[in-house]
Amino acid sequence: DGGITQSPKYLFRKEGQNVTLSCEQNLNHDAMYWYRQDPGQGLRLIYYSQIVNDFQKGDIAEGYSVSREKKESFPLTVTSAQKNPTAFYLCASTYRWGQDNNQPQHFGDGTRLSIL
Amino acid sequence: AQSVAQPEDQVNVAEGNPLTVKCTYSVSGNPYLFWYVQYPNRGLQFLLKYITGDNLVKGSYGFEAEFNKSQTSFHLKKPSALVSDSALYFCAVRVLDSNYQLIWGAGTKLIIKP
Repeated sequence: DGGITQSPKYLFRKEGQNVTLSCEQNLNHDAMYWYRQDPGQGLRLIYYSQIVNDFQKGDIAEGYSVSREKKESFPLTVTSAQKNPTAFYLCASTYRWGQDNNQPQHFGDGTRLSIL
Repeated sequence: AQSVAQPEDQVNVAEGNPLTVKCTYSVSGNPYLFWYVQYPNRGLQFLLKYITGDNLVKGSYGFEAEFNKSQTSFHLKKPSALVSDSALYFCAVRVLDSNYQLIWGAGTKLIIKP
């Protein structure tokens, strides 16, 4: 079955440590997204990628970094500069980017990141 | 500023009764509107969307939503609630400007009591 796989499901970060969250999709989608979810705040966009080798900052990119070397993969690194990283992180994808894209985003099952 | 509002943090409904989860938006132009559902510790699942055409759209699990342009609303409805409908529901709007991003509501927790 096609879908988005996020790993690990739970992750713990120590002070001063960078951690990387994995996101892999086999939907052949061009566009991929990373969201952060905090209780009562809905989803906030961290980074997005319209196509391979391209990505753009979202609303809360500070302290995060991404890469898009392959169409299927869009890993997110939470750096030590992110002072409040405890949250639920969701990866999503859509078929393509653009004005005529009326397709919904598909989501992975998330990674819950906590501070040790 | 463009925004999406879900005015109720929580909605409580008895099983078998109709349910409504409210969503209003404030965006420029003609938006695309979406509803998603999230179960605990899971990702979001798409329920339904409004792009154009009939104001009443039907989606998964017996849900439907009514688009009202004059009231800028897109309320989610179901005629008869099930306990299994208990979850977190999100409304989202795709803004058709150069960014094409989704603007998300804060979510409404739906609790269906037996």
